[in-house]
Amino acid sequence: EAGVTQFPSHSVIEKGQTVTLRCDPISGHDNLYWYRRVMGKEIKFLLHFVKESKQDESGMPNNRFLAERTGGTYSTLKVQPAELEDSGVYFCASSRSGLLGEQYFGPGTRLTVT
Amino acid sequence: QKEVEQNSGPLSVPEGAIASLNCTYSDRGSQSFFWYRQYSGKSPELIMSIYSNGDKEDGRFTAQLNKASQYVSLLIRDSQPSDSATYLCAVRVNTGGFKTIFGAGTRLFVKA
Repeated sequence: EAGVTQFPSHSVIEKGQTVTLRCDPISGHDNLYWYRRVMGKEIKFLLHFVKESKQDESGMPNNRFLAERTGGTYSTLKVQPAELEDSGVYFCASSRSGLLGEQYFGPGTRLTVT
Repeated sequence: QKEVEQNSGPLSVPEGAIASLNCTYSDRGSQSFFWYRQYSGKSPELIMSIYSNGDKEDGRFTAQLNKASQYVSLLIRDSQPSDSATYLCAVRVNTGGFKTIFGAGTRLFVKA
């Protein structure tokens, strides 16, 4: 069974530019999550999808961040326009079930905004 | 007060010893609890999940949960140098969705 994949692995962009991160969950996992870890801080929850529906997006920092999961398969996270404080590692995770489901993490995308 | 608190460490134990990692959480509505291991530069790897009070054992790992005390722990028996990593405690709450809150992690060093 293939794991969670994320693309790109690294992205370096300038302040004000747009970046789109992609996550492909494990096949059959309806639940998909986005997290972010900024330098020296704990991993922070961003949002939770069940299939194509956003269930909890309380962790999204502001309206410069837009997550989508069209068709309930892969998901994208767009940052527009990027700011310096958006730098960090963005993780995606997926699980088969929700509350008790064990989440499996992707390798992460390291985003650097200069 | 942080939602999930862990001692940042580092915790240093000799090879073969028991490593004990602790975590407290603030939300009494937390319903599921997880321990992840994270090597430097890598993504978190799930080690244990626990949902009800008591102990849960899996190989060299034992997770303990006490909801009354809002406390979760992880014991690693016969610690190996390869266990050296950061251990993350995570709790999940039902918000309509399922929000997982992570602690900052405890760094563990196992000395050969």
